Amino acid sequence: DTGVSQDPRHKITKRGQNVTFRCDPISEHNRLYWYRQTLGQGPEFLTYFQNEAQLEKSRLLSDRFSAERPKGSFSTLEIQRTEQGDSAMYLCASSLPATNSPLHFGNGTRLTVT
Amino acid sequence: DAKTTQPTSMDCAEGRAANLPCNHSTISGNEYVYWYRQIHSQGPQYIIHGLKNNETNEMASLIITEDRKSSTLILPHATLRDTAVYYCIVRLQGAQKLVFGQGTRLTINP
Repeated sequence: DTGVSQDPRHKITKRGQNVTFRCDPISEHNRLYWYRQTLGQGPEFLTYFQNEAQLEKSRLLSDRFSAERPKGSFSTLEIQRTEQGDSAMYLCASSLPATNSPLHFGNGTRLTVT
Repeated sequence: DAKTTQPTSMDCAEGRAANLPCNHSTISGNEYVYWYRQIHSQGPQYIIHGLKNNETNEMASLIITEDRKSSTLILPHATLRDTAVYYCIVRLQGAQKLVFGQGTRLTINP
């Protein structure tokens, strides 16, 4: 399967700890997106990369959140000093550079902050 | 991006066609209609998208009204595996991100 891969699938952490998630996009997809989804809601946009450049960040992405894509391939999303409100599914998607290319999503990392 | 309105939930019998409506009355001429679905504990799955012509692929058909103010996603022969939340999204041409609403929870009954 050459879809979007996310690791880990599940993460349980204690409040105040730092966590990092990894996303490997579909090869040749130069655009990469991070979304967050809480129970019963649709996914919410967090940030977007084109190659290694982070081109857009949502207001949802507080100072405790940082995303990187250093070589324009895989990406990491780090949450520092986690809070219970950070508990959610974190989804990664990628797309081709062509206009109107659909986004292809991974199966997400489910974060539980206790 | 234009706002979309979808029913909260729908039911359909297995083997029948499932018709999911979406209203997007404020859509502009350069906005596309996209459909995704999300099965429990998985990421959203791309289904189909279109601008003004009807579109069909191996998964579904997309029917867009002539005035483009509404559309219908058709799953021709629904199976139990089609039970999911279906999202109708309007995306400005050239825009990068997708903005999801609440979607329609479709339940296929045996």
